[in-house]
Amino acid sequence: NAGVTQTPKFQVLKTGQSMTLQCAQDMNHNSMYWYRQDPGMGLRLIYYSASEGTTDKGEVPNGYNVSRLNKREFSLRLESAAPSQTSVYFCASSPLALGQGALGNQPQHFGDGTRLSIL
Amino acid sequence: AQKVTQAQTEISVVEKEDVTLDCVYETRDTTYYLFWYKQPPSGELVFLIRRNSFDEQNEISGRYSWNFQKSTSSFNFTITASQVVDSAVYFCALRGNRDDKIIFGKGTRLHILP
Repeated sequence: NAGVTQTPKFQVLKTGQSMTLQCAQDMNHNSMYWYRQDPGMGLRLIYYSASEGTTDKGEVPNGYNVSRLNKREFSLRLESAAPSQTSVYFCASSPLALGQGALGNQPQHFGDGTRLSIL
Repeated sequence: AQKVTQAQTEISVVEKEDVTLDCVYETRDTTYYLFWYKQPPSGELVFLIRRNSFDEQNEISGRYSWNFQKSTSSFNFTITASQVVDSAVYFCALRGNRDDKIIFGKGTRLHILP
C-alpha cells in the first residue's frame, strides 16, 4: 500500500553540489507534481507533469529540472544546489489530467516529503 | 493568473470553540476546482474536501463544514467544537480548467489549546 514514495527522506548538500530527488507512485496516476514547502510560504509548485513525456513549469521552476521517466516516476534535479533551495520537497500525484476527459476535481496524493538542507 | 489567499497565518482557540479558516481565490477560468488539505504535526498532507465551481452546495462532514460562495470567491472551512487533534496547518488549493496546475495558499496554522 505504498502510494507515493519519495527518496531520500533527508539530505544535506554543500552549495554547488547536484542532487536528484526521486518520486514514484504505484496508483497508475497520470499527473505528477513537485512542490516545495518553506515556512510562511505554503506549498509552491515547482514543476508538474500531466502525462508521461510532458512536463510544465510551475510557480518557482528556476534552479530545477525534472524528468518524467515513465508513468510511475517523476524526478526533480538540482544541478547546482544553493542555500535558497533548502526546503521540504513534496511529490504528489493525481489520477487523471484534464485532457483525458476527467474533471479536475481529483485530489492529489502526497508523498511524505524530502527534507533538504544546503550548506 | 490563479491565486489563493489564506489571510490568517495563525489562529489559536480553546478546545470546544468553533473556528473558521478563510480561503479567497482568484481565477479567470469559469470552471475550477477547490480543495482543502490538512497537514498535522507529523508532516503528511491529508486531503479533506473538494468542490467544483459549478456546485455551490455547502457540505458538512461531522464537525467539519465548508461554505463555498462564488460571489465573494471564497471557500471557507469551519470546525465546530474543536479538538486538540485538529491542531494542524490547513491549506486551500485551486485548480483551473485550462491546465493541470494546482496552486496552494500559504496555509493557516491552527492551534487548539486544551
